[in-house]
Amino acid sequence: DTGVSQDPRHKITKRGQNVTFRCDPISEHNRLYWYRQTLGQGPEFLTYFQNEAQLEKSRLLSDRFSAERPKGSFSTLEIQRTEQGDSAMYLCASSLRSQGHEQFFGPGTRLTVL
Amino acid sequence: GQQLNQSPQSMFIQEGEDVSMNCTSSSIFNTWLWYKQEPGEGPVLLIALYKAGELTSNGRLTAQFGITRKDSFLNISASIPSDVGIYFCAGRLNTGNQFYFGTGTSLTVIP
Repeated sequence: DTGVSQDPRHKITKRGQNVTFRCDPISEHNRLYWYRQTLGQGPEFLTYFQNEAQLEKSRLLSDRFSAERPKGSFSTLEIQRTEQGDSAMYLCASSLRSQGHEQFFGPGTRLTVL
Repeated sequence: GQQLNQSPQSMFIQEGEDVSMNCTSSSIFNTWLWYKQEPGEGPVLLIALYKAGELTSNGRLTAQFGITRKDSFLNISASIPSDVGIYFCAGRLNTGNQFYFGTGTSLTVIP
């Protein structure tokens, strides 16, 4: 296992369309996080899973956003009715509870909403 | 949300020089992480700090957990061109598992 993977790496969509991103964490990492990063800013926390349970959600995660981790392995982040303001890099990270809070990031999915 | 201020915003240095940057907050954190990010990629973890006053090294990088628990510092010695990137600090409060990221320090190394 070489690390966290994300798919797709780039997504261009028209306003109003729905998009879904996938994250595959490092094997056996039981914690998974989603972040959003806009140009010139640091990553902003969106949500966090421990195994399949979604334990924390940011106020940034509007009702158009939904994340799942159905079997405690990979996770999906869906954005419904995309808006231009959703354009950003969406980053996924994973960590192992027994190894503290060190989070390892994937390469991200760059979303552009036209 | 929590505000983490990183300083300086950007640095232009000559190869071989040492680099210092810091991260400050108005809140007390119990974990600090330092990351490096290159264009189009995700952040790469450099150093993790868990105790006030802790000093941890990773090769030419050294980071410290401030004794007030409201700040952290990263030093890079003898910089090389591949050190170029944006360095982010991230802190975690006592409660929850959320990390708050700083705005980053952009480092340019001139050969």
